[in-house]
Amino acid sequence: QVQLVESGGGLVEPGGSLRLSCTASGFTFSDAYMTWIRQTPGKGLEWLAYISATSDYTIYADSVKDRFTIFRDNAKNSLYLQMDSLRAGDTAIYYCARIRGYANFDSWGQGTLVTVSS
Amino acid sequence: SALTQPRSVSASPGQSVTISCAGTSTNVGAYNYVSWFQQHPGKAPKVIIYDVNKRPSGVPDRFSGSKSGNTASLTISGLQAEDEADYYCCSYAGAHPYVFGSGTKVTVV
Repeated sequence: QVQLVESGGGLVEPGGSLRLSCTASGFTFSDAYMTWIRQTPGKGLEWLAYISATSDYTIYADSVKDRFTIFRDNAKNSLYLQMDSLRAGDTAIYYCARIRGYANFDSWGQGTLVTVSS
Repeated sequence: SALTQPRSVSASPGQSVTISCAGTSTNVGAYNYVSWFQQHPGKAPKVIIYDVNKRPSGVPDRFSGSKSGNTASLTISGLQAEDEADYYCCSYAGAHPYVFGSGTKVTVV
């Protein structure tokens, strides 16, 4: 069955960097568009970025553009999110998800918590 | 900005509830690509409706979706205790591809 497992979350100081990973199994990862979505504590969901199956196309939300980078390694069935210049407002649970069609995020990981604080 | 949903709705078991998701002509009104997600406390969201009104395999048929103009709706018919959760809509929006709703807490009273 489809499984996505995020890792790499933790506590980081403002201005710092962190790299999140998402390891996929149970489907042909190299055929899938993938995305990162976050959820701030007690609040709603925010789409952050997505990447095409072969990495030839990426797009970002304005809130993270120029600070976050989405990339993937299809040989390792892995998706990544490099987060730089982190701010307190980036504190959230970060989810990776598979995209099927448009707005159909049909499989999600369990999430990894990122806390930005001094 | 986020799509607008009511903060909360409540109903008794067996009744129906409808959650609205108000967008604009650049997102909900422009595309037939609205999804709905159910999220129980401490769990990841789960898609229950996609492409406005399609249900993934395994989702009960008491969940249905529709759209009129710039507003999408999710209806839960025959409400059950396990339907108590947060619900989020999401629309494709073209150049800024995805926008989520603000979320609605459904309470079964």
